[in-house]
Amino acid sequence: SQQGEEDPQALSIQEGENATMNCSYKTSINNLQWYRQNSGRGLVHLILIRSNEREKHSGRLRVTLDTSKKSSSLLITASRAADTASYFCATDDGDDKIIFGKGTRLHILP
Amino acid sequence: DAGITQSPRHKVTETGTPVTLRCHQTENHRYMYWYRQDPGHGLRLIHYSYGVKDTDKGEVSDGYSVSRSKTEDFLLTLESATSSQTSVYFCAISGNWGQPQHFGDGTRLSIL
Repeated sequence: SQQGEEDPQALSIQEGENATMNCSYKTSINNLQWYRQNSGRGLVHLILIRSNEREKHSGRLRVTLDTSKKSSSLLITASRAADTASYFCATDDGDDKIIFGKGTRLHILP
Repeated sequence: DAGITQSPRHKVTETGTPVTLRCHQTENHRYMYWYRQDPGHGLRLIHYSYGVKDTDKGEVSDGYSVSRSKTEDFLLTLESATSSQTSVYFCAISGNWGQPQHFGDGTRLSIL
């Protein structure tokens, strides 16, 4: 099945550094979304990028999409302790399927 | 936060018993979803609804049924719970298919 696969599975960085995580998928998509999940909570939507877009920004977040490589990246700049969470990509293939990846666990070290 | 609540938040029950989880929204969103989240599998869609009495299966629908008799409520039922259904269950809502989803805080279900 088409599934977004995040890479790396886990990432630890120092506070203030930038964090980059990647998502790969298998078939064509309408859009790709990134979500954050704090421990014990539901997912929170961060950003949606459509298949005809290459880059989007939202505050300290930057998302890129390369449809030729079937991949997306999420960059969090100037990381903070509050960014510690799991991050998921979700792809919409336009055929009644929205598939979430398994997530990247991000840990921001003080 | 979007107005979405799940109940109960925690439940422990025995194999073979029926279990119903409730999702309630105050946003009047058309789409409602049930997911399960398990280590190593991420989020997997169980069932979703696109309107009152309109539902469809997701990736892992076996052993689950749903009902939506009102716009604001989406029920997930395990007719005869099995240990493999131990999981954290999330409800989500969206205005339309493919739009950002708003999630509840989940129900932790343990089947002993």
